[in-house]
Parts: sequence; C-alpha cells; structure tokens
Amino acid sequence: DQQVKQNSPSLSVQEGRISILNCDYTNSMFDYFLWYKKYPAEGPTFLISISSIKDKNEDGRFTVFLNKSAKHLSLHIVPSQPGDSAVYFCAASGDPNTDKLIFGTGTRLQVFP
Amino acid sequence: EAQVTQNPRYLITVTGKKLTVTCSQNMNHEYMSWYRQDPGLGLRQIYYSMNVEVTDKGDVPEGYKVSRKEKRNFPLILESPSPNQTSLYFCASSLETGYNEQFFGPGTRLTVL
Repeated sequence: DQQVKQNSPSLSVQEGRISILNCDYTNSMFDYFLWYKKYPAEGPTFLISISSIKDKNEDGRFTVFLNKSAKHLSLHIVPSQPGDSAVYFCAASGDPNTDKLIFGTGTRLQVFP
Repeated sequence: EAQVTQNPRYLITVTGKKLTVTCSQNMNHEYMSWYRQDPGLGLRQIYYSMNVEVTDKGDVPEGYKVSRKEKRNFPLILESPSPNQTSLYFCASSLETGYNEQFFGPGTRLTVL
C-alpha cells in the first residue's frame, strides 16, 4: 500500500516555463513533507520541505504547496532550467522521534531548451 | 568536505555469499539510515539508528543486519543474500531526529545472482 504517491512517472517542460510536480498521500498522521532531487549515479539531495502548519514554502525558484484537506502537495519550479532535469522524490514523515521517511516513486523531469 | 560515503559502489555476488556494504559520514551525525530503491516502489527504509548502539527496523528489514559501534559508521550486512535483494542501496544521515534534513550517500548497486 503506497502511502505517498507520485502518479506522473515523467514530465517534460520547456526551459523557462513552470514545472509542476505533484504528490498525494493517504496517511493523515504525516506532518512533515520533503522534496528530494536525484541525478543519475548520485544519491538524493534535499531540495525543500514544508511543515503541516504551513501551506506554502518558498526557496528561490522552488516553491512547495501543501493542501492538507486534499492530502496533496506540489513542487513548482519557476523558471525551469536544463540543470533541473532529474528525478524528484516526494517524501513524508509523521514521527519526529524516528525521522522515518516514506518516499513516493519519483517523477522524472526533463527540461528541454 | 561533508559527505556520506558508501563502499562498494557496485557489487555482483552469488546467492548465499555474505557481504557487507559500508557507510561512513564525517558530519558527526547521530542519525543514520539505510534505504533500498526499487523500480515502482521508491525508496524504502531498511534499518535506522538514532545513536551508537541504538538500531531499529524500518519497513523492509528481512534479510538484513546492521550495527552501530561507532558514530560515523553504519554497515549493512547481508548474511545470506538472495536475488530479491538485488537493488540500489542508499545510506543517509542527519544531525539528529526531529525532522532534520537527511544527507544521502551515492548509492550501492547490488546484483545477487
């Protein structure tokens, strides 16, 4: 049973446009959400996070939106750049004592010129 | 340079031959964790450790062992590998529990024949 779902395996966006990556979760106990970016042959790297007490968090070109009632979060990248081409994983946690992360299956983003 | 290192990066072995994947971090982090990544399943936690001599099971611990004798090292041990343990493995660490950013190693691709 996948508690964190990324229903789009891939996304292709033109350079300069907005990339929107989506993530849905089923467990209402999750209260902290993260996005990780992964390049081939490298480990995931932390991108941005959001606590359930917020509905938006922004860091430069990256913004994460959280809709708790819909159990949905999204990552917006504006403007998209070729270097953003990577696999993006959504992750959620509901236990600060263990920091256990539940990951989605990932979305491969390709930004073309 | 602050980093998480894993060795080996690639390993092909045969069923039943014990192996160890090492993980080391130089950031004095208390929390360390092992994940495996499989197609269509995202990253799943195998074991985690909140401090020296403190380890606990994650979501998929069967067939794996870990130890945390020193703060910087967290080896993953497969006593009798089987083909269903063919996967991409990641070690991660964070300063402490409490929703801190987790830093990932570069990954170890294991094939069990």
